[in-house]
Amino acid sequence: DAGVIQSPRHEVTEMGQEVTLRCKPISGHNSLFWYRQTMMRGLELLIYFNNNVPIDDSGMPEDRFSAKMPNASFSTLKIQPSEPRDSAVYFCASSFNRGPSEQYFGPGTRLTVT
Amino acid sequence: GDSVTQMEGPVTLSEEAFLTINCTYTATGYPSLFWYVQYPGEGLQLLLKATKADDKGSNKGFEATYRKETTSFHLEKGSVQVSDSAVYFCALRQGQGGKLIFGQGTELSVKP
Repeated sequence: DAGVIQSPRHEVTEMGQEVTLRCKPISGHNSLFWYRQTMMRGLELLIYFNNNVPIDDSGMPEDRFSAKMPNASFSTLKIQPSEPRDSAVYFCASSFNRGPSEQYFGPGTRLTVT
Repeated sequence: GDSVTQMEGPVTLSEEAFLTINCTYTATGYPSLFWYVQYPGEGLQLLLKATKADDKGSNKGFEATYRKETTSFHLEKGSVQVSDSAVYFCALRQGQGGKLIFGQGTELSVKP
């Protein structure tokens, strides 16, 4: 299996622009997680989906952030408009929600907002 | 709410030294406990896990024992290598398939 796939790996954009991050989970996994990692705040869960339905979005910072999972093999995290404080590494992870299954992380998208 | 606390880093050791990274948690019930490792420029990888009290997780020479009486899950390795240099995250999860709650991470640097 190719593992969790994220794109792009790096994104540099100007403040005010829309940014869309993409994730393809491991085939057969039915839970998907979006995390943000910064030096100041560490690793934070933004939102997670179970069977394509958002279960917990309490970590989404504000209305500028939105996430969708239109089907079992694709999810997006959108920031509109972007701000410099959104600069971080964004990770997607997936798992199978039966038993003590582990989460498999993608390589991350490094976002820089100037 | 549930939380995980790790010892602060960075931790710097010489090759072949003994490693301990402390992790304690606060949670109701009986969470599953995990250690993840993040190598530079990569995503997190599961290192080991334990799902009930007194379980010992082990992998690649690393071990951690689920201690409910002390609410701890300390990571140990008898002899570290330069290739073990990474950031280590302790985490807990309630129930099956739910979200992970991570500690702040501990950076380990192993010198030759």
